[in-house]
Amino acid sequence: EDKVVQSPLSLVVHEGDTVTLNCSYEVTNFRSLLWYKQEKKAPTFLFMLTSSGIEKKSGRLSSILDKKELFSILNITATQTGDSAIYLCADTGANSKLTFGKGITLSVRP
Amino acid sequence: EAQVTQNPRYLITVTGKKLTVTCSQNMNHEYMSWYRQDPGLGLRQIYYSMNVEVTDKGDVPEGYKVSRKEKRNFPLILESPSPNQTSLYFCASSLLGTSYEQYFGPGTRLTVT
Repeated sequence: EDKVVQSPLSLVVHEGDTVTLNCSYEVTNFRSLLWYKQEKKAPTFLFMLTSSGIEKKSGRLSSILDKKELFSILNITATQTGDSAIYLCADTGANSKLTFGKGITLSVRP
Repeated sequence: EAQVTQNPRYLITVTGKKLTVTCSQNMNHEYMSWYRQDPGLGLRQIYYSMNVEVTDKGDVPEGYKVSRKEKRNFPLILESPSPNQTSLYFCASSLLGTSYEQYFGPGTRLTVT
């Protein structure tokens, strides 16, 4: 059975801090690893990773995948209060099935 | 505007009263899926569909039914709701294949008393 584990489960930081969110996975037929941000509503897509070692960036957010060690990290630099959200990691296995981790709750204090 | 819509957004009902939550997408996506989200458990897949008339169970299908008669619609049916089905439900869709992200609907908060 596919399994995705995120850590830490929650995190409190101050504005301007840099945070690293972790996601490890075990999946039979790995296809891709996705990151979503959820702020009191539906998850919104951040990144899709399919290849090891290639960093994806969007503004202050970046993510990278390690297919050998079966994990991914999401980095947020110079955090802002608007980054407060639940960050979800999911892997895509066979039949496009998404298996989500439990999410990381990030709180950014002014 | 490309979107996934769900109705109703909020529903309070009683045990045993059949209900349907509708989901519709306007992006011509083949793949559609239902999830429930519960505190401490994250998002769990209920059912998914890879095309019209093709549906399959996800991780937590018990107590739910789905149908896919048209490409754009994927309703979730609770024949006899129970309190343990109180949850936040999301519908999602994507193009088929693993290179495409899933787009989520706004969610339906269901309370079964």
